[in-house]
Amino acid sequence: DIQMTQSPSSLSASVGDRVTITCQASQDISNYLNWYQQKPGKAPKLLIYDASNLETGVPSRFSGSGSGTDFTFTISSLQPEDIATYYCQQYDNLPHTFGQGTKLEIK
Amino acid sequence: EVQLVESGGGLVQPGRSLRLSCTASGFTFGDYAMSWFRQAPGKGLEWVGFIRSKAYGGTTEYAASVKGRFTISRDDSKSIAYLQMNSLKTEDTAVYYCTRYSSGWYPDYWGQGTLVTVSS
Repeated sequence: DIQMTQSPSSLSASVGDRVTITCQASQDISNYLNWYQQKPGKAPKLLIYDASNLETGVPSRFSGSGSGTDFTFTISSLQPEDIATYYCQQYDNLPHTFGQGTKLEIK
Repeated sequence: EVQLVESGGGLVQPGRSLRLSCTASGFTFGDYAMSWFRQAPGKGLEWVGFIRSKAYGGTTEYAASVKGRFTISRDDSKSIAYLQMNSLKTEDTAVYYCTRYSSGWYPDYWGQGTLVTVSS
């Protein structure tokens, strides 16, 4: 199985801050990586697909980059409604594995 | 609007069975692969398995943790995907999510989830 190592596991930032989360795959996954947002008690929501493509309707302050084994997710200007847990997920090989999540809090 | 609604969750004893349903609307169900994920209380997300569309043979794939115990099926005439869970274990306790797989082979829409609690 491909292991996805996501960091940090938690993050506290202020409104307006630039926030960055990283995800490292245990082997080359090309650009077969997604980023999801999950708010408490809710289902995950797709934000970024194919490592860097913004899903329709998702605000442009969210972005993704990377390929191969190293990926980055960025919120350019943190908003109060962005408080959630964020997950990366690879879909290059089965099983489709996730990072352990990054819990984002407002400072 | 794509909608996925799971049902069938509840409390079940270890060793027993349970069937979850996922009723879809807002898209041509038969054209898409469908998948199940789960999330144990306070834990991360885990892929359970998926079923391909009939165009791709309608075949299934499963996570090692559920292979041989869980079965995914689909009824395209009713736009419903099923997750049959047999020989349930306490570690199967989780919220189970139904998802649609996009043409890019990743989950793009998720249901709201249904809680399965396996306990005596």
